[in-house]
Amino acid sequence: DAKTTQPNSMESNEEEPVHLPCNHSTISGTDYIHWYRQLPSQGPEYVIHGLTSNVNNRMASLAIAEDRKSSTLILHRATLRDAAVYYCILKRDDKIIFGKGTRLHILP
Amino acid sequence: NAGVMQNPRHLVRRRGQEARLRCSPMKGHSHVYWYRQLPEEGLKFMVYLQKENIIDESGMPKERFSAEFPKEGPSILRIQQVVRGDSAAYFCASSIMTGTGSFEQYFGPGTRLTVT
Repeated sequence: DAKTTQPNSMESNEEEPVHLPCNHSTISGTDYIHWYRQLPSQGPEYVIHGLTSNVNNRMASLAIAEDRKSSTLILHRATLRDAAVYYCILKRDDKIIFGKGTRLHILP
Repeated sequence: NAGVMQNPRHLVRRRGQEARLRCSPMKGHSHVYWYRQLPEEGLKFMVYLQKENIIDESGMPKERFSAEFPKEGPSILRIQQVVRGDSAAYFCASSIMTGTGSFEQYFGPGTRLTVT
């Protein structure tokens, strides 16, 4: 499976936008870019996914570079409840291979 | 619409006992996945099942672990003769379809297994 690279941790202030980067330079044409997050003591939660075009949903936006070698998850207005580990995943078939993710800290 | 359900949420077993973890997928989902998260570590894929079939068990330990997803009822992850190293959170996920990377998975709250 193609590998993703994310910063180990990030901080953001409450009520400000957060941009979580992900590099995936070895992405293949059939890989979908998925984002999941895991809040403390909970199961992972699906956030968003896309293939080539930018995507928006009620939780977040996903901006995908034109060459698809990187992407950015955008939380438009962070709250304390968004503090979690965020995983950027390349998915081409059934299973999810999780990396270490980015631990997002939200400062009140 | 109920999400993925797992029970029990917490399970304590003594070394050598058996552990049975149950997972009911979301309504309409016929694909189930099991993942394990050891303390302070990441999530690891274990097994993927459809009804009455194991599709991919490449992440399952070779011994003591088994999984099933019968025609009726929940998926079961069974760990025989548990050891302390089996202590972990076990998460189940389900999806509506599969075959490509385009389908998301929905996770349950997990079962936290403690082996004493």
